[in-house]
Formats: sequence, structure tokens, C-alpha cells
Amino acid sequence: DAKTTQPPSMDCAEGRAANLPCNHSTISGNEYVYWYRQIHSQGPQYIIHGLKNNETNEMASLIITEDRKSSTLILPHATLRDTAVYYCIVRTHNDMRFGAGTRLTVKP
Amino acid sequence: DTGVSQDPRHKITKRGQNVTFRCDPISEHNRLYWYRQTLGQGPEFLTYFQNEAQLEKSRLLSDRFSAERPKGSFSTLEIQRTEQGDSAMYLCATSPVDTGELFFGEGSRLTVL
Repeated sequence: DAKTTQPPSMDCAEGRAANLPCNHSTISGNEYVYWYRQIHSQGPQYIIHGLKNNETNEMASLIITEDRKSSTLILPHATLRDTAVYYCIVRTHNDMRFGAGTRLTVKP
Repeated sequence: DTGVSQDPRHKITKRGQNVTFRCDPISEHNRLYWYRQTLGQGPEFLTYFQNEAQLEKSRLLSDRFSAERPKGSFSTLEIQRTEQGDSAMYLCATSPVDTGELFFGEGSRLTVL
């Protein structure tokens, strides 16, 4: 499986953009990048996914580098409710394998 | 509320007892997944079903663990002869076929004394 590397923790000021990086240097051509987040005491929540083009939805934007070896999840205007653990996943099989993720803390 | 229901939400049991968790999926979702999560870790994949067929099982799913999905609707995860190391949150997720967009329930927290 392609593995991902994320920083264990990050801080962001409320109202600013949160940029969460993910390295996936061994990704294969047909593997998608998925992002989930998990707010304390809840199950993970799907955010966004992409193959090679940048993607945007109502929650976030996903920027994938041209060589696809890394990506960045962008929360354009972080709020306190965005404090959570964010997981970057490269989907290889028919299941979703989570790593340890990045704990994002949004501060007032 | 994602539409995926898990029961019970909390279970405290003594070592050696059997426990069963139930997951009720979103009705039109063919795939159902079970994960286990311990404190400070990401969810660990246990097994998944497509309709009633169990298509993959993790090495984590020892012979004390069994999962079923009769008729391709709800699913149960049973742990026999529980051990303290089984204490964790057990998460169920469902999805339409062939998509990575999983909808998770709120989990069943197991404490083994």
C-alpha cells in the first residue's frame, strides 16, 4: 500500500486558512488521495478526494502536486469547530486504511 | 447524524465474556466496514462486506472475532472470550459500492475489566 506521512500536529488561528500537508511519494497512477477528519468522540467524516486535478467542495480544497507525490488540504477560513484529527489516505484496495493523522487545533 | 447506527454505544464487560455489537447501515449502501480505534490512534481496518459477502479480513481479526451481515442489511461483530486488549472503540462505516466516501457511525466503546 502507498503510505502517507503527515505532521502529528498543527495550529491555526481562527479565520485564517489551514494548510495541511501530506506526503505520498509511493503513490501509483490509479490511486486516489482521500481526506477525512475526526472530531473528538465522533466517527471520521469524509472531506474530499482527488486523483490528479485540484478539487474543491463546500468544506475544503485539495491541491495535488503535478508529480502526485504530495498534497495539501486547505480549509480556507478555519473555525474553532474545525479542530480535529485530519487523515490523509491513499486508497489502494476496496477499503480505507487510516494512519495517525494530523491533529489540527484552531485557536481564537 | 450520518444515518449509520451502532448499538450499544457503550459496553463494559468482564474479561472472558462475549460481547456483540450491531451496525445498521444506510439502506442503499452495499458496503459495510468495521474498524477498531484505540486512544490516540487512527481507525484500524478489521473487515468489510459487500452485501452479505465478507470480502476481506484483517490479520487483526483473530479467531475470537466474527462478523456477519445476513441478508446484506445490518451487521454484527462478536468478540468471544474478551481480553483487556480488546478495549477500544469499534466503528462501523458504510458506502455505496466502489466509492471511498465512507459514512461512519458514532461507534461502540468497549471496556473490558
